[in-house]
Amino acid sequence: ETGVTQTPRHLVMGMTNKKSLKCEQHLGHNAMYWYKQSAKKPLELMFVYNFKEQTENNSVPSRFSPECPNSSHLFLHLHTLQPEDSALYLCASSHAQGAGSEAFFGQGTRLTVV
Amino acid sequence: GNSVTQMEGPVTLSEEAFLTINCTYTATGYPSLFWYVQYPGEGLQLLLKATKADDKGSNKGFEATYRKETTSFHLEKGSVQVSDSAVYFCALSNAGNQFYFGTGTSLTVIP
Repeated sequence: ETGVTQTPRHLVMGMTNKKSLKCEQHLGHNAMYWYKQSAKKPLELMFVYNFKEQTENNSVPSRFSPECPNSSHLFLHLHTLQPEDSALYLCASSHAQGAGSEAFFGQGTRLTVV
Repeated sequence: GNSVTQMEGPVTLSEEAFLTINCTYTATGYPSLFWYVQYPGEGLQLLLKATKADDKGSNKGFEATYRKETTSFHLEKGSVQVSDSAVYFCALSNAGNQFYFGTGTSLTVIP
């Protein structure tokens, strides 16, 4: 248990569906991240939020829409996904100031797009 | 720029063998370095870290030393166990609060 909780753990959705992934942390962190982990590919940083402000969008398609209502919660809204979007989506959090602070990861949401 | 390169896997070892997983990095400034471990079906867990040159991080028998002169942070364990089977990721973070990960090295330990 890392203190970062992701729900749901597994999600199967059709290409026309709309769904949301949720991430929650109560570690007092003020930076939160979404990563995509696909088989045989490096971990891909998608979005970074510092103090609820989005500071990084790594050329992610608009069918992925993040939301950070407060420092403890992060969402990833999904719509009209493609089969190649099937992957493990990992949320992480850390202290925002300076290097040296490790990132804490949730257990991930295994997403399958059919 | 910032990047991490770690040895390709998969690595297969017998129980009680010595483990080394190589990791080198390029970075601007003075990064912190990390090793994370991922067990099947789970997220990444921090294994150890080092925040400045010559620091040694250690945990659960694993060690890694921050070598600025060779820009390396190799992971070692003297005697692996079956329960160490997992994927290991080397990572760095800089003052800009970005984390950069290597591609991961899969380790399988056989009895």
